[in-house]
Amino acid sequence: AQRVTQPEKLLSVFKGAPVELKCNYSYSGSPELFWYVQYSRQRLQLLLRHISRESIKGFTADLNKGETSFHLKKPFAQEEDSAMYYCALSSRNSGNTPLVFGKGTRLSVIA
Amino acid sequence: EAEVAQSPRYKITEKSQAVAFWCDPISGHATLYWYRQILGQGPELLVQFQDESVVDDSQLPKDRFSAERLKGVDSTLKIQPAELGDSAMYLCASSFADRALGYTFGSGTRLTVV
Repeated sequence: AQRVTQPEKLLSVFKGAPVELKCNYSYSGSPELFWYVQYSRQRLQLLLRHISRESIKGFTADLNKGETSFHLKKPFAQEEDSAMYYCALSSRNSGNTPLVFGKGTRLSVIA
Repeated sequence: EAEVAQSPRYKITEKSQAVAFWCDPISGHATLYWYRQILGQGPELLVQFQDESVVDDSQLPKDRFSAERLKGVDSTLKIQPAELGDSAMYLCASSFADRALGYTFGSGTRLTVV
């Protein structure tokens, strides 16, 4: 079965501190992993996907197949990073399969 | 920037009444998804369309929920009769047939059943 686990419901850090949002997954095939972000009163939007290996807004995430993890990291948190973050997976072998989401982690960056 | 349009933004309905939500995907997006997001949880797929055809409705409670995309463009999700447990955010998303080209969410409809 496909499953995404985000163990922290809430993560509070001080501005300038490093951030790590944890994501673990369970999937039998070849997964494609994503991080989505939802700022206050805005729609869900793609932050990054593992196959693109890019850094968006200073965030990076590395797929660790051995640990089945896709943790989201940023070296220095900013107040504007405060938002709800969702980890999601889909099949890498099919172009339009739906996403399976975790329950989300609320990041609060304290000034 | 093109957006997925959803209406209404908010809906309050009484238990046992019928309710409908509308979604207009980004032009050219062949695939349309309806997700339900209960407070404190991540979105969960209800139904997926490819053009006008249902691809996956295995998680749609078919005794009370129905969805259609008659012309392969906009879509309607209906609940009849609504129950208290249906209170949630209903999200629509659309993508090209190959999701690598884009997958966009609408703002959602927040349903409250009283």
